[in-house]
Amino acid sequence: AQTVTQSQPEMSVQEAETVTLSCTYDTSESDYYLFWYKQPPSRQMILVIRQEAYKQQNATENRFSVNFQKAAKSFSLKISDSQLGDAAMYFCAYRSAGYGNKLVFGAGTILRVKS
Amino acid sequence: NAGVTQTPKFQVLKTGQSMTLQCAQDMNHEYMSWYRQDPGMGLRLIHYSVGAGITDQGEVPNGYNVSRSTTEDFPLRLLSAAPSQTSVYFCATSLGGSSLEQYFGPGTRLTVT
Repeated sequence: AQTVTQSQPEMSVQEAETVTLSCTYDTSESDYYLFWYKQPPSRQMILVIRQEAYKQQNATENRFSVNFQKAAKSFSLKISDSQLGDAAMYFCAYRSAGYGNKLVFGAGTILRVKS
Repeated sequence: NAGVTQTPKFQVLKTGQSMTLQCAQDMNHEYMSWYRQDPGMGLRLIHYSVGAGITDQGEVPNGYNVSRSTTEDFPLRLLSAAPSQTSVYFCATSLGGSSLEQYFGPGTRLTVT
């Protein structure tokens, strides 16, 4: 079974600075997908960014980018120019490439943004 | 187009009571799933369905039942609530196939006393 580990329960960043959230995973599969979800206090789950394991190029979405290291099974999220609205719980998630659409989540990292 | 709706938003139950959490979607998605969110554990898959009439167990299925008689609805039943089922419950849907996008409902906060 696959597992996802987020080793940072909480992180803080100054507004306009850059922060990196860590995620490692364990799998024996070669084809899979990885995601970062944001959960603000409203509780809504919002997809931030995704990465296909077969792609070597790291995904980028505006201020959000990932560092995907397949051999190390590492998938970190970098948030540049942090904004107050980035404050939330962030979840790393894994999905197999095969049939079905089941997600395996990490425990989450609370990100606090200081003004 | 309402997307994914969940009712109720909040619920308090006594131990041993039963109830059904409702999930409905109007996007004609094949895949529907139920997750529970607990502090320090992230979201864990309870049950999922890949189409009407087809359901299967996820990581933490004990104490929960599901059925999928229509594409639109995927109710989650607690037959005899226990304090360990106190959690926030999310329904999620996906088009299926190669689609990667999952759409989450707003969640239901359930407290069992």
